[in-house]
Amino acid sequence: AQSVTQPDIHITVSEGASLELRCNYSYGATPYLFWYVQSPGQGLQLLLKYFSGDTLVQGIKGFEAEFKRSQSSFNLRKPSVHWSDAAEYFCAANTGTASKLTFGTGTRLQVTL
Amino acid sequence: DAGVIQSPRHEVTEMGQEVTLRCKPISGHNSLFWYRQTMMRGLELLIYFNNNVPIDDSGMPEDRFSAKMPNASFSTLKIQPSEPRDSAVYFCASVTGYEQYFGPGTRLTVT
Repeated sequence: AQSVTQPDIHITVSEGASLELRCNYSYGATPYLFWYVQSPGQGLQLLLKYFSGDTLVQGIKGFEAEFKRSQSSFNLRKPSVHWSDAAEYFCAANTGTASKLTFGTGTRLQVTL
Repeated sequence: DAGVIQSPRHEVTEMGQEVTLRCKPISGHNSLFWYRQTMMRGLELLIYFNNNVPIDDSGMPEDRFSAKMPNASFSTLKIQPSEPRDSAVYFCASVTGYEQYFGPGTRLTVT
């Protein structure tokens, strides 16, 4: 079955430190991959996406993600975290246009000052 | 562009009452998804439409839930009768191509 796994439920980092959130997928073929962020009381906002091509993709708010086919991973990174980055982050995947997204369970990021 | 609009933002109702959630997708988008989010179950897909036609409603919990999309600019999700276990945040997402754009959600509390 198709699945997306986020192994870390909760991560705490200090402001200014680097961040990496893990995401692994299990699909028959390489899916389209996404990272979303959800701030408290808000909807999900698309941070970045990977369809094909360059395996390092840049997104909004200074985030980037790297696709690694050999590891079935699509990890999210940020070189220097800001307190406003505290939120829940979801990795997601789908297999085509207007097809349903499979979400990971989310990683809650806490930022300490 | 105003983005995806959902109403109401908050709804508190008593068990047994009918609840209707509304969604206005982004103009020009041709697909719409309804999700439910709870602490216990995370994000669940309930139903989605392509060009106003329901494609997959396998995520709808039971017959108490129904969804319609009478035109490209409006969709409703109805729960009748509502139960406390329906308490959740309900999102709709407007879709173009591969990307889904989420609304702010409706927080439903059933007492």
